[in-house]
Amino acid sequence: AQKVTQAQTEISVVEKEDVTLDCVYETRDTTYYLFWYKQPPSGELVFLIRRNSFDEQNEISGRYSWNFQKSTSSFNFTITASQVVDSAVYFCALRRKAAGNKLTFGGGTRVLVKP
Amino acid sequence: EPEVTQTPSHQVTQMGQEVILRCVPISNHLYFYWYRQILGQKVEFLVSFYNNEISEKSEIFDDQFSVERPDGSNFTLKIRSTKLEDSAMYFCASSEASGVNEQFFGPGTRLTVL
Repeated sequence: AQKVTQAQTEISVVEKEDVTLDCVYETRDTTYYLFWYKQPPSGELVFLIRRNSFDEQNEISGRYSWNFQKSTSSFNFTITASQVVDSAVYFCALRRKAAGNKLTFGGGTRVLVKP
Repeated sequence: EPEVTQTPSHQVTQMGQEVILRCVPISNHLYFYWYRQILGQKVEFLVSFYNNEISEKSEIFDDQFSVERPDGSNFTLKIRSTKLEDSAMYFCASSEASGVNEQFFGPGTRLTVL
Protein backbone atom coordinates (compact mmCIF):
# COMPACT_ATOMS: atom_id res chain seq x y z
CA ALA A 1 0.00 0.00 0.00
CA GLN A 2 1.13 3.52 -0.67
CA LYS A 3 0.80 6.42 1.69
CA VAL A 4 1.67 10.12 1.63
CA THR A 5 1.85 12.19 4.78
CA GLN A 6 1.92 15.96 4.96
CA ALA A 7 2.25 16.64 8.64
CA GLN A 8 1.73 20.40 8.39
CA THR A 9 -1.95 21.19 7.96
CA GLU A 10 -1.50 24.96 7.77
CA ILE A 11 1.42 27.36 7.56
CA SER A 12 1.09 31.12 7.87
CA VAL A 13 3.91 33.41 6.74
CA VAL A 14 4.43 37.06 5.98
CA GLU A 15 5.18 38.02 2.41
CA LYS A 16 8.81 37.55 1.38
CA GLU A 17 9.44 34.87 3.95
CA ASP A 18 10.51 31.42 2.79
CA VAL A 19 8.22 28.49 3.49
CA THR A 20 9.01 24.78 3.35
CA LEU A 21 6.34 22.13 3.00
CA ASP A 22 7.14 18.63 4.19
CA CYS A 23 6.10 15.44 2.42
CA VAL A 24 6.90 11.92 3.58
CA TYR A 25 5.83 8.90 1.58
CA GLU A 26 5.65 5.13 1.94
CA THR A 27 5.86 2.63 -0.87
CA ARG A 28 7.24 -0.84 -1.49
CA ASP A 29 7.98 -0.03 -5.12
CA THR A 30 11.54 0.62 -6.18
CA THR A 31 10.44 2.83 -9.07
CA TYR A 32 7.78 5.46 -8.57
CA TYR A 33 6.94 9.10 -9.23
CA LEU A 34 6.34 11.96 -6.84
CA PHE A 35 4.32 15.06 -7.61
CA TRP A 36 3.33 18.39 -6.16
CA TYR A 37 0.03 20.04 -7.04
CA LYS A 38 -1.26 23.48 -6.07
CA GLN A 39 -4.92 24.13 -5.31
CA PRO A 40 -5.62 27.87 -5.24
CA PRO A 41 -8.82 29.25 -3.68
CA SER A 42 -10.57 28.87 -7.04
CA GLY A 43 -10.34 25.09 -6.52
CA GLU A 44 -8.55 23.67 -9.52
CA LEU A 45 -5.52 21.39 -9.20
CA VAL A 46 -2.43 22.76 -10.87
CA PHE A 47 0.50 20.46 -11.61
CA LEU A 48 3.79 21.86 -10.31
CA ILE A 49 6.44 19.18 -10.58
CA ARG A 50 7.15 15.50 -11.12
CA ARG A 51 10.16 13.67 -9.74
CA ASN A 52 11.29 10.16 -10.65
CA SER A 53 12.46 7.90 -7.85
CA PHE A 54 15.75 7.23 -9.60
CA ASP A 55 16.61 10.91 -9.96
CA GLU A 56 17.56 12.49 -6.66
CA GLN A 57 18.75 15.77 -8.07
CA ASN A 58 17.12 18.73 -6.46
CA GLU A 59 15.24 21.05 -8.74
CA ILE A 60 14.67 24.77 -8.82
CA SER A 61 12.07 26.57 -10.87
CA GLY A 62 11.95 30.27 -10.20
CA ARG A 63 10.99 30.75 -6.55
CA TYR A 64 10.12 27.07 -6.16
CA SER A 65 12.58 24.35 -5.22
CA TRP A 66 12.23 20.72 -4.34
CA ASN A 67 14.42 18.49 -2.17
CA PHE A 68 14.03 14.77 -2.81
CA GLN A 69 15.75 12.45 -0.33
CA LYS A 70 15.13 8.79 -0.99
CA SER A 71 16.95 7.75 2.19
CA THR A 72 14.32 9.46 4.32
CA SER A 73 11.41 9.01 1.87
CA SER A 74 10.86 12.72 1.74
CA PHE A 75 10.06 15.16 -1.05
CA ASN A 76 9.97 18.64 0.43
CA PHE A 77 8.93 21.81 -1.35
CA THR A 78 10.23 25.30 -0.63
CA ILE A 79 8.77 28.58 -1.78
CA THR A 80 11.38 31.33 -1.58
CA ALA A 81 10.35 34.93 -1.00
CA SER A 82 6.66 34.03 -0.75
CA GLN A 83 3.99 36.21 -2.34
CA VAL A 84 0.29 36.60 -1.57
CA VAL A 85 -0.49 34.71 -4.79
CA ASP A 86 1.22 31.66 -3.30
CA SER A 87 -1.65 31.31 -0.85
CA ALA A 88 -3.17 27.92 -1.65
CA VAL A 89 -3.37 24.32 -0.54
CA TYR A 90 -0.42 22.27 -1.73
CA PHE A 91 -0.70 18.53 -2.22
CA CYS A 92 2.09 16.01 -2.48
CA ALA A 93 1.23 12.83 -4.40
CA LEU A 94 2.77 9.46 -5.22
CA ARG A 95 2.23 7.22 -8.22
CA ARG A 96 3.49 3.80 -9.16
CA LYS A 97 5.64 3.52 -12.24
CA ALA A 98 3.25 2.00 -14.75
CA ALA A 99 1.19 4.22 -16.96
CA GLY A 100 -2.37 4.82 -15.89
CA ASN A 101 -1.82 4.28 -12.21
CA LYS A 102 -3.65 6.33 -9.65
CA LEU A 103 -2.23 9.21 -7.69
CA THR A 104 -2.19 8.80 -3.93
CA PHE A 105 -2.44 12.23 -2.35
CA GLY A 106 -1.33 13.54 0.99
CA GLY A 107 -3.70 15.52 3.15
CA GLY A 108 -2.46 18.84 1.85
CA THR A 109 -0.85 21.86 3.50
CA ARG A 110 -2.66 25.18 3.46
CA VAL A 111 -0.26 28.07 2.98
CA LEU A 112 -1.44 31.53 3.91
CA VAL A 113 0.83 34.38 2.86
CA LYS A 114 -0.03 37.65 4.55
CA PRO A 115 0.94 40.99 3.01
CA GLU B 1 -2.68 25.03 -24.37
CA PRO B 2 -5.00 21.99 -24.27
CA GLU B 3 -6.90 21.45 -21.06
CA VAL B 4 -9.39 19.14 -19.42
CA THR B 5 -12.89 20.61 -19.21
CA GLN B 6 -15.76 19.60 -16.95
CA THR B 7 -19.46 20.38 -16.88
CA PRO B 8 -21.36 21.50 -14.97
CA SER B 9 -19.22 23.53 -12.59
CA HIS B 10 -21.83 23.08 -9.87
CA GLN B 11 -24.63 20.53 -9.60
CA VAL B 12 -27.27 20.50 -6.90
CA THR B 13 -29.45 17.42 -6.58
CA GLN B 14 -31.85 15.73 -4.22
CA MET B 15 -30.83 12.60 -2.35
CA GLY B 16 -31.71 9.51 -4.37
CA GLN B 17 -31.49 11.23 -7.73
CA GLU B 18 -29.12 10.20 -10.50
CA VAL B 19 -26.42 12.61 -11.64
CA ILE B 20 -24.04 12.53 -14.57
CA LEU B 21 -20.84 14.51 -14.43
CA ARG B 22 -19.17 15.20 -17.73
CA CYS B 23 -15.58 15.62 -18.73
CA VAL B 24 -13.73 16.26 -21.96
CA PRO B 25 -10.16 15.01 -21.56
CA ILE B 26 -7.20 16.36 -23.51
CA SER B 27 -7.59 15.05 -27.04
CA ASN B 28 -4.48 12.88 -27.43
CA HIS B 29 -4.71 11.39 -23.94
CA LEU B 30 -5.71 7.78 -23.49
CA TYR B 31 -5.95 7.36 -19.69
CA PHE B 32 -8.85 8.94 -17.85
CA TYR B 33 -9.51 9.28 -14.15
CA TRP B 34 -12.05 10.48 -11.65
CA TYR B 35 -11.08 11.75 -8.21
CA ARG B 36 -13.16 13.37 -5.52
CA GLN B 37 -12.43 15.81 -2.72
CA ILE B 38 -14.83 16.17 0.17
CA LEU B 39 -14.71 19.75 1.43
CA GLY B 40 -11.52 20.44 3.35
CA GLN B 41 -10.16 16.94 2.87
CA LYS B 42 -7.63 15.29 0.62
CA VAL B 43 -8.13 14.27 -2.97
CA GLU B 44 -9.20 10.62 -3.28
CA PHE B 45 -8.93 8.34 -6.29
CA LEU B 46 -12.17 6.85 -7.59
CA VAL B 47 -11.47 5.13 -10.91
CA SER B 48 -9.15 4.94 -13.88
CA PHE B 49 -10.21 4.06 -17.42
CA TYR B 50 -8.24 2.90 -20.43
CA ASN B 51 -9.12 1.28 -23.71
CA ASN B 52 -12.83 1.46 -22.94
CA GLU B 53 -12.65 -0.35 -19.65
CA ILE B 54 -11.97 0.30 -16.01
CA SER B 55 -8.33 -0.38 -15.20
CA GLU B 56 -8.52 0.30 -11.47
CA LYS B 57 -11.12 1.41 -8.95
CA SER B 58 -11.12 2.28 -5.29
CA GLU B 59 -13.36 1.04 -2.49
CA ILE B 60 -15.37 4.25 -2.83
CA PHE B 61 -16.34 3.32 -6.38
CA ASP B 62 -19.16 0.93 -5.53
CA ASP B 63 -22.14 -0.22 -7.58
CA GLN B 64 -23.70 3.23 -7.39
CA PHE B 65 -20.95 4.60 -9.60
CA SER B 66 -20.26 3.97 -13.25
CA VAL B 67 -18.10 5.52 -15.95
CA GLU B 68 -18.50 5.68 -19.66
CA ARG B 69 -16.85 7.06 -22.74
CA PRO B 70 -19.92 7.46 -24.91
CA ASP B 71 -18.09 8.99 -27.84
CA GLY B 72 -14.59 10.00 -28.88
CA SER B 73 -14.40 13.03 -26.65
CA ASN B 74 -16.54 12.75 -23.51
CA PHE B 75 -15.88 10.81 -20.32
CA THR B 76 -18.72 10.63 -17.82
CA LEU B 77 -19.20 9.66 -14.18
CA LYS B 78 -22.70 8.56 -13.20
CA ILE B 79 -23.94 8.26 -9.65
CA ARG B 80 -27.17 6.28 -9.74
CA SER B 81 -28.77 7.19 -6.43
CA THR B 82 -26.98 10.02 -4.71
CA LYS B 83 -26.42 10.09 -0.97
CA LEU B 84 -25.66 13.05 1.25
CA GLU B 85 -22.08 11.83 1.63
CA ASP B 86 -21.55 12.04 -2.13
CA SER B 87 -21.39 15.82 -1.76
CA ALA B 88 -17.87 16.70 -2.89
CA MET B 89 -15.78 18.23 -5.63
CA TYR B 90 -15.29 15.73 -8.44
CA PHE B 91 -12.20 16.08 -10.58
CA CYS B 92 -11.61 14.49 -13.94
CA ALA B 93 -8.04 13.97 -15.11
CA SER B 94 -6.32 12.57 -18.16
CA SER B 95 -2.83 11.48 -19.13
CA GLU B 96 -0.91 10.27 -22.13
CA ALA B 97 -0.34 6.58 -22.62
CA SER B 98 3.39 6.72 -22.95
CA GLY B 99 6.24 8.26 -21.05
CA VAL B 100 5.89 9.65 -17.59
CA ASN B 101 2.33 10.76 -18.26
CA GLU B 102 1.52 13.17 -15.49
CA GLN B 103 -2.18 13.65 -14.95
CA PHE B 104 -3.78 16.94 -15.86
CA PHE B 105 -6.87 17.86 -13.93
CA GLY B 106 -10.04 19.61 -14.94
CA PRO B 107 -11.49 22.48 -12.89
CA GLY B 108 -13.87 20.16 -11.04
CA THR B 109 -17.62 19.82 -10.56
CA ARG B 110 -18.97 20.69 -7.14
CA LEU B 111 -21.79 18.25 -6.35
CA THR B 112 -24.18 19.18 -3.57
CA VAL B 113 -26.68 16.53 -2.46
CA LEU B 114 -29.60 17.84 -0.41
